[in-house]
Amino acid sequence: EPEVTQTPSHQVTQMGQEVILRCVPISNHLYFYWYRQILGQKVEFLVSFYNNEISEKSEIFDDQFSVERPDGSNFTLKIRSTKLEDSAMYFCASSSQGPSTDTQYFGPGTRLTVL
Amino acid sequence: SQQGEEDPQALSIQEGENATMNCSYKTSINNLQWYRQNSGRGLVHLILIRSNEREKHSGRLRVTLDTSKKSSSLLITASRAADTASYFCATDQGAQKLVFGQGTRLTINP
Repeated sequence: EPEVTQTPSHQVTQMGQEVILRCVPISNHLYFYWYRQILGQKVEFLVSFYNNEISEKSEIFDDQFSVERPDGSNFTLKIRSTKLEDSAMYFCASSSQGPSTDTQYFGPGTRLTVL
Repeated sequence: SQQGEEDPQALSIQEGENATMNCSYKTSINNLQWYRQNSGRGLVHLILIRSNEREKHSGRLRVTLDTSKKSSSLLITASRAADTASYFCATDQGAQKLVFGQGTRLTINP
């Protein structure tokens, strides 16, 4: 069964460094998302992406964050200058249609630790 | 307060018993989805129920949706140790995103 994959599974970085989290969505999906979950808290929406542009973003998704679909398979989340409070599990998700009509399938997550 | 609040926050039952988790939300929705998360792992999709549906079944799972009360319930019948996980409801409000609740932590005791 097709699944969303994410790399790396765990990333440790120093505060102020840039990180890129990578995702490979399900191949025929058109809508892509990033969410994060700070330890012990709820899953929070960051951004949705469709047709090579951001369709929705949360207030968390400030200028330090960016997303890109550099080729036909990858979907990346870049954090330019990491802060301690960016430490969280980051989940990528994809769906074949928009969220109003279709299931979002989540990857296993990347645990980001900022020291 | 926030969308998609689950209740109870934690539930501990014996294997074989049924587990019921509830979710309440505040605004109108297009659909509601339930996910499972094993400790420190990813989110596994369980079931999606649309706003015009009242009940849906999938194996040992039964989900109900009451849009007049803005609430949903997830019933797991004949629970197994492997059902131990956190369960989240997530609502779609038509804004290209899902809004998750805090989750119910379910423990199945052998």
